[in-house]
Amino acid sequence: DIQMTQSPSSLSASVGDRVTITCRASQGISNYLAWFQQKPGKAPKSLIYAASSLQSGVPSKFSGSGSGTDFTLTISSLQPEDFATYYCQQYNNYPRTFGQGTKVEIK
Amino acid sequence: EVQMVESGGGLVKPGGSLRLSCAASGFTFSTYTMNWVRQAPGKGLQWVSSISSTSSYIYYADSVKGRFTISRDNAKNSLYLQLNSLRAEDTAVYYCARDYYDGGGYYYPYWGQGTLVTVSS
Repeated sequence: DIQMTQSPSSLSASVGDRVTITCRASQGISNYLAWFQQKPGKAPKSLIYAASSLQSGVPSKFSGSGSGTDFTLTISSLQPEDFATYYCQQYNNYPRTFGQGTKVEIK
Repeated sequence: EVQMVESGGGLVKPGGSLRLSCAASGFTFSTYTMNWVRQAPGKGLQWVSSISSTSSYIYYADSVKGRFTISRDNAKNSLYLQLNSLRAEDTAVYYCARDYYDGGGYYYPYWGQGTLVTVSS
């Protein structure tokens, strides 16, 4: 199975900050990597697919990059509605696997 | 509008069974692979199972293989998950998710709101 490791597990940031979350796969997954945002009590929301493609309707402050084993999600200017937990997921093969999540909290 | 609505969750004793349903609308259900993903309270997301459009291909996480059965009824636009031999560690919100082909692979842009399964005596 492909293990997905996110870092950090949590972070504190201020409104307006630039935030970067990393995701590392235990083996190469090409660009078959998605990012999700989840708020408490809600279903995950798709942000990025194919490592760097922005899901329709998602603001351009979100961006993704990477290929192979190392990926990043960047939020260019953190806003109050962005405080949430973020997950990466590989869809290169089965079993599909998720990172453990990164909780973004208000400083 | 793509919509999935899960149902069937509830409280069940260890060793018991439950059948979850996911009613889909707003898209041609019979042409998409469908998936179940779960989330234990306060924990991360865990993929559970996937079923191809014609049920030809079925995949399970090792943790549920032999206990859970995924199925679908394309005539009823519905996805199912039969949960048997339930354990406390199966306690989770179960989400139904639909595949989307991004030109290279299949990811999950569409999710239901989830249904909670609690396994406790």
